[in-house]
Amino acid sequence: KQEVTQIPAALSVPEGENLVLNCSFTDSAIYNLQWFRQDPGKGLTSLLLIQSSQREQTSGRLNASLDKSSGRSTLYIAASQPGDSATYLCAVVGHFGNEKLTFGTGTRLTIIP
Amino acid sequence: GAGVSQTPSNKVTEKGKYVELRCDPISGHTALYWYRQSLGQGPEFLIYFQGTGAADDSGLPNDRFFAVRPEGSVSTLKIQRTERGDSAVYLCASSLTAQGATEAFFGQGTRLTVV
Repeated sequence: KQEVTQIPAALSVPEGENLVLNCSFTDSAIYNLQWFRQDPGKGLTSLLLIQSSQREQTSGRLNASLDKSSGRSTLYIAASQPGDSATYLCAVVGHFGNEKLTFGTGTRLTIIP
Repeated sequence: GAGVSQTPSNKVTEKGKYVELRCDPISGHTALYWYRQSLGQGPEFLIYFQGTGAADDSGLPNDRFFAVRPEGSVSTLKIQRTERGDSAVYLCASSLTAQGATEAFFGQGTRLTVV
């Protein structure tokens, strides 16, 4: 059974710093990995999708990397801003034909102005 | 609409009652998913539809939970004889194609509280 872990559970950093969020998964046979953002009381907003054949994806100040063989992904946020404060979730889709997302428990990020 | 729409946004019901939660996916998205999220946890998979049929319902916790998607668009999650443990946020997502090839887009969720 696939298990997804995110460490740390919570993180506070001063505004302007670069930071890295970690995600690990136990079964390396994934089809893709997706990073989401969740604001309090809201649904999930998709940030980046990495196919299993890719090593990284970038969108603005966000960069996600994937090392499938070691079961790890990182989300790098450059020049953090107070508006980046949210919970960040990673999720994996299993092998072809398995559609469901398996989520980690998330990292709650607070950017201190 | 432009995104996934879920109604109601909040639902309070008494233990033992029946509830229906509605999801209106992005137009043209053939895949639809239901997840349940408890406080402080990541969403947990409940059921996945491809078109009108349930392709995977392995996440439904018991036979009190049932979901339909009769015309391949709107879906309804139905919970019978609700229990306090059913309290959670129920999230719906849709994607353009199956096989995990495209991003899943989520609605704002329905917060269900069973009292």
